Amino acid sequence: HLVESGGGLVTSGGSLRLSCAASGFTFSRYAMTWVRQAPGKGLEWVSLIDGAATYMYHEDSLKGRFSISRDNAKNSLFLQMNSLTAEDTAVYYCARLDADVEGLIDYWGQGTLVTVSS
Amino acid sequence: DIQVTQSPSSLSASVGDRVTFTCRASQNIGTFLNWYQQKPGKAPKVLIYSASSLQSGVSSRFSGSGSGTDFTLTISSLQPEDFATYYCQQTYTAPRTTFGQGTKVEIK
Repeated sequence: HLVESGGGLVTSGGSLRLSCAASGFTFSRYAMTWVRQAPGKGLEWVSLIDGAATYMYHEDSLKGRFSISRDNAKNSLFLQMNSLTAEDTAVYYCARLDADVEGLIDYWGQGTLVTVSS
Repeated sequence: DIQVTQSPSSLSASVGDRVTFTCRASQNIGTFLNWYQQKPGKAPKVLIYSASSLQSGVSSRFSGSGSGTDFTLTISSLQPEDFATYYCQQTYTAPRTTFGQGTKVEIK
């Protein structure tokens, strides 16, 4: 079970921190990812972090504005988003990577909406 | 970067129809290709992984095929609950990954 929070309305140039609470599985054993979907558009991969928080990856176009992290003691995933623009308006999904098939996303949260107003 | 292009972008079909749509990668990705279904207002759900393996719990009317650059997802007999948008995802470049733009299946 994955439950996102922290979305909302923010003005352009602002920051927001998304959280994802995980339950029902051993959180630290799984890599986790954020995927976003702009209104009426397709899916866009954003960031990924391995189970031990040793490796973090981000979509190149984000230009260092986003940062993924996790707290395994609290079964939580985070996405820090800075210098937000209208193009960042989207539903942000927290998701789990399958343990056996590389890159496969096997569980998704219901998403949290981020709206950036200009 | 590897691009994945889905076609068509939308299609209309009737219950009971056999439906096939495609995903084309900009370079050889082997079988590193997954398919997801997304219904309005809901999170995506995985249907097929590694091009042709059926995810546990998914109906056998869904099947996937292909390798290299060309892939297909087939629904053997379209059911009312299958009207949704379908996305392919290449994971050849994992952990970085890209999705196709989606194919929306609508009721004729």
